[in-house]
Amino acid sequence: EAQVTQNPRYLITVTGKKLTVTCSQNMNHEYMSWYRQDPGLGLRQIYYSMNVEVTDKGDVPEGYKVSRKEKRNFPLILESPSPNQTSLYFCASSQYRDGSYTFGSGTRLTVV
Amino acid sequence: GENVEQHPSTLSVQEGDSAVIKCTYSDSASNYFPWYKQELGKGPQLIIDIRSNVGEKKDQRIAVTLNKTAKHFSLHITETQPEDSAVYFCAASITGGGNKLTFGTGTQLKVEL
Repeated sequence: EAQVTQNPRYLITVTGKKLTVTCSQNMNHEYMSWYRQDPGLGLRQIYYSMNVEVTDKGDVPEGYKVSRKEKRNFPLILESPSPNQTSLYFCASSQYRDGSYTFGSGTRLTVV
Repeated sequence: GENVEQHPSTLSVQEGDSAVIKCTYSDSASNYFPWYKQELGKGPQLIIDIRSNVGEKKDQRIAVTLNKTAKHFSLHITETQPEDSAVYFCAASITGGGNKLTFGTGTQLKVEL
C-alpha cells in the first residue's frame, strides 16, 4: 500500500531532551515536507526537501532540523524541544513539484 | 510570502444541502490550488485540485471554482452526506516554487441528519 509512515504517533517529552520523529514513504516521491498543525493556524510548513541532500526552510523552521540522506526517509529533529513546539506534526510526500501531497497520519508531540 | 484566508471557520448544513467554502490568496503567481479533507485522527487527504489555466473542475459531488482576477477559489459540495463531515483546508502554491504549499486555517463542516 502506498503510504507515508510516521513514528511515533504520540510522544510526550521534557524540555531540552533531543528527539527525532521519523518519516518514510514507499512511493519513490522526490518531494517531502514537514508541517505542524495548531488550532486556528492551519498547517504551517517547517521544512521541505526536493531531493536527496536538498532541503530548505519553510515558514516556521526555528528549533527544527531535517536531513534527507535517502530518498524514502525525511526525519524531523528537535535538538532542544520547548513547550511551544507542542503540536501535531505531519510528514508529506509528493511526486510533483506543485505540492499535491500525500500525508502521513501525524505525530502528536507534547513538550512539558 | 503567500497568505491564504479561508471562510467560514465552521459550517453546519442539513444532509442533502450544498456546502460552499471560500478562500482568497495574496500572491498572483500562485497557480495550483488543492483542497484537502481531514477526518478526525487522520492526516489531510487531497480531494480535488485546480490549476490556474482552468476555471472550474468537478468530481462527482465536489467542484472547485477559481477566479484568478479576484484571487479567490471555492469548494462546492452538493448533496451532502454525514460522511462529508470533516475539516477542509484550501491551499495555494506556485508550481516549481520549491514545493511550498500554503494552507488556509480550515473549515469544520458538520452535516446534520
